[in-house]
Amino acid sequence: AQKITQTQPGMFVQEKEAVTLDCTYDTSDPSYGLFWYKQPSSGEMIFLIYQGSYDQQNATEGRYSLNFQKARKSANLVISASQLGDSAMYFCAMREGLGGGYNKLIFGAGTRLAVHP
Amino acid sequence: KAGVTQTPRYLIKTRGQQVTLSCSPISGHRSVSWYQQTPGQGLQFLFEYFSETQRNKGNFPGRFSGRQFSNSRSEMNVSTLELGDSALYLCASSWTGGKLATNEKLFFGSGTQLSVL
Repeated sequence: AQKITQTQPGMFVQEKEAVTLDCTYDTSDPSYGLFWYKQPSSGEMIFLIYQGSYDQQNATEGRYSLNFQKARKSANLVISASQLGDSAMYFCAMREGLGGGYNKLIFGAGTRLAVHP
Repeated sequence: KAGVTQTPRYLIKTRGQQVTLSCSPISGHRSVSWYQQTPGQGLQFLFEYFSETQRNKGNFPGRFSGRQFSNSRSEMNVSTLELGDSALYLCASSWTGGKLATNEKLFFGSGTQLSVL
């Protein structure tokens, strides 16, 4: 069955340093997409970055990059030059299959990131 | 462009009552999904609607129901509330629900925080 595992309940990082948030996944579907969302205390889930199973290169979006290792089924989020505003919960999620599952994303338990000045 | 709007933001109910939550998707989005977020179970998929039809449903009891109107606005209803229904209910919208591409982003609202006393 499809599953997302985030093994770090909490992480902290000094401002301006880089941090890696871990995510491993399990699926038997060859076509899938992996997402990272940020959830600040306001509750809204904010899209950060996407990686498709057939993408040849690791995704990047500004200060966010995704370290995608398909054989190991991992999709770690790297945040460079951390800012105080990056303090939030971070969720890894997966959507399976073209046309299948639709918007049924499977989420991990999340990692709470604290950025210290 | 307005984001996903959920109303009300907070709700307090007592056991046995029923509740209706509302979600207005981003203009043009036809897929609306609902998620329940609790500290114990994390984020769980409730159901997804597209063009007024429910296309996918999560593993929740029949007390949880939803519908979508012709303007893509959606409501979810929980009848006979239980203490365990206390949660943040998040609504998300997208163009097609990932039917055409796994990289279709979901845009989330800020959620409705439901407390059942």
